[in-house]
Order: sequence, then structure tokens, then C-alpha cells
Amino acid sequence: RKEVEQDPGPFNVPEGATVAFNCTYSNSASQSFFWYRQDCRKEPKLLMSVYSSGNEDGRFTAQLNRASQYISLLIRDSKLSDSATYLCVVLENAGNMLTFGGGTRLMVKP
Amino acid sequence: DTGVSQDPRHKITKRGQNVTFRCDPISEHNRLYWYRQTLGQGPEFLTYFQNEAQLEKSRLLSDRFSAERPKGSFSTLEIQRTEQGDSAMYLCASSLRREGTGEQFFGPGTRLTVL
Repeated sequence: RKEVEQDPGPFNVPEGATVAFNCTYSNSASQSFFWYRQDCRKEPKLLMSVYSSGNEDGRFTAQLNRASQYISLLIRDSKLSDSATYLCVVLENAGNMLTFGGGTRLMVKP
Repeated sequence: DTGVSQDPRHKITKRGQNVTFRCDPISEHNRLYWYRQTLGQGPEFLTYFQNEAQLEKSRLLSDRFSAERPKGSFSTLEIQRTEQGDSAMYLCASSLRREGTGEQFFGPGTRLTVL
């Protein structure tokens, strides 16, 4: 079983749609959680951190459920520029190592 | 450009050859990480340094892989006796040591093709 699991997609959505991605992690001792974004043929970049209380950054909302070991990302009012791969990431090993999921690919179409 | 840089950007080699990649982190960052990414997968952690000390290397894929950061600045990743399965993107990242933060800044990667 992978340590961090995501549906690979692709999710094909029209502009303006709301789309949600989910992720599960296996290590109950994991400390911190993040979403990274990776554009095609580019390096990953931090999108946002994920907190138990939920957090929002503009059109993006992230949620963490520690009991279910489940992380989500919601994107509202999708833009063409949101097309990318979204990587669910867990910080482990006393904060020294990022474990990435396989990524979920999003394609937003006009 | 003050971001993480990697060299070369592309490397094509024949099976059995040795290759070495270089990473220059953001100058004030004391942590440096190496990852490998294959097509359709997320990055896979290999090793990391805090300053010049290599604090985790158990995730290196085999004893053919080694990394150094001799002066706590740039780092090199060497793969000896390359195999076709080593073909991948090798990513370097750097960060400042802060508790709980997951922000690592990635370089553009070195794409290795082993023929």
C-alpha cells in the first residue's frame, strides 16, 4: 500500500466548475500536510498547507480529517490556469521528509 | 535568478556509465534534498542534508547512488553503473530548517535517460 494515495484522474472540468480532490495517508503519526502544484514539465511548488480546522486561500480550500487520515482540496470557480497536477504531501520523519502522493491531474477546459 | 539551480538539465548516457548531477540551493537555505520522479508519479525522497551533514540516506535506491554536500552549499548526486531503470527526473530542493513547515523550493530537475 502506498503511503499517500490519490486518484490520478484526469479530472476534466469546464471553466467555472467546482472540483474536489481527495487523498489518504497511511502513517497515523504524520505531522503536517500540504498540497503542492506541478505544471507540466515543471518543478512542484507549494500551493497551501492543510490544517485540521480547514483553511482557505481564495478559491482554494483544504481540509484534514486526522481520524480518517484523509485530506481534501476544493477548487471553486475553476480557471484555465488551474490546469496542473495536484500533489498531496505529508511531512514525516521528525519533519525531515516529504512523502508525495502520485498526483491528481486537472484539466480545465473553456 | 536566486532560485534552486540544477546542472545539467538533461543527461543521456549509456548503461553502465557513471553520471553526476549538481544542485545549487537558495543561498541562505541550510537544508538540501534530493528526489527522483518518474512519469506519472510524485517525487520520491532519496536523501537530505543539513548544512554538510547527510542526515538521512536510507532511502537512496541502491548502493550505486551517493550524494555529497562537502561545504554545506552545493550538492552532487552520483549514480554509478547506470541502469535503464534509473531513467527519471532527479529533483533537488532546499529549505530553511523550520519546525513543521513543508515548504521546499525545487529546482527545475535533471532529466536522465539511460540507453
